[in-house]
Amino acid sequence: GAVVSQHPSRVICKSGTSVKIECRSLDFQATTMFWYRQFPKQSLMLMATSNEGSKATYEQGVEKDKFLINHASLTLSTLTVTSAHPEDSSFYICSARDHSRGIHNEQFFGPGTRLTVL
Amino acid sequence: AQTVTQSQPEMSVQEAETVTLSCTYDTSENNYYLFWYKQPPSRQMILVIRQEAYKQQNATENRFSVNFQKAAKSFSLKISDSQLGDTAMYFCALPNSGYALNFGKGTSLLVTP
Repeated sequence: GAVVSQHPSRVICKSGTSVKIECRSLDFQATTMFWYRQFPKQSLMLMATSNEGSKATYEQGVEKDKFLINHASLTLSTLTVTSAHPEDSSFYICSARDHSRGIHNEQFFGPGTRLTVL
Repeated sequence: AQTVTQSQPEMSVQEAETVTLSCTYDTSENNYYLFWYKQPPSRQMILVIRQEAYKQQNATENRFSVNFQKAAKSFSLKISDSQLGDTAMYFCALPNSGYALNFGKGTSLLVTP
């Protein structure tokens, strides 16, 4: 149990276009999902916290108008990179928290999406 | 502000040997969790082990164990009987108040035959 999927796994787009990445919790309800970005040979950096039915909370330095996050259901959060530029090329990872597991605080990670902007 | 520090960018160990990865952290919370995650070349994040701060007993999961020193804010990971499949990046992580994870910079572990 506790599987999180991401789609697509890899995307290449032209500069100026928008890209949508989906994160789904397949067998549990995730009130909270998180989006991280990971540059090559670096650690994961939190971009935003996504709560179902409310606006996402963005970390300092993350442009909310560029990285649009929607969490319309308990099993789906989407990250849209608008007007993508080469510097947005990165590995994007989502995670979801299963609140039914109580205080264990464990997050389950998706397999990640590699975005390349040409 | 919470911080997580991993001071060993790279480590190497021979198969069947034991290796310890270090992690120190800072938090103003009294009750919290600490995690070690593994990221193999596939880049899928895998939970290795979890420690609850209010438990004095160190967590163990098969070949993986931790040395948790709450007063020193130290949380090291010991891998016993290292296997080739243990080759990966290892991240120490501490949840913030919103449960998002603050990760250390990671330690790249190479297990050699």
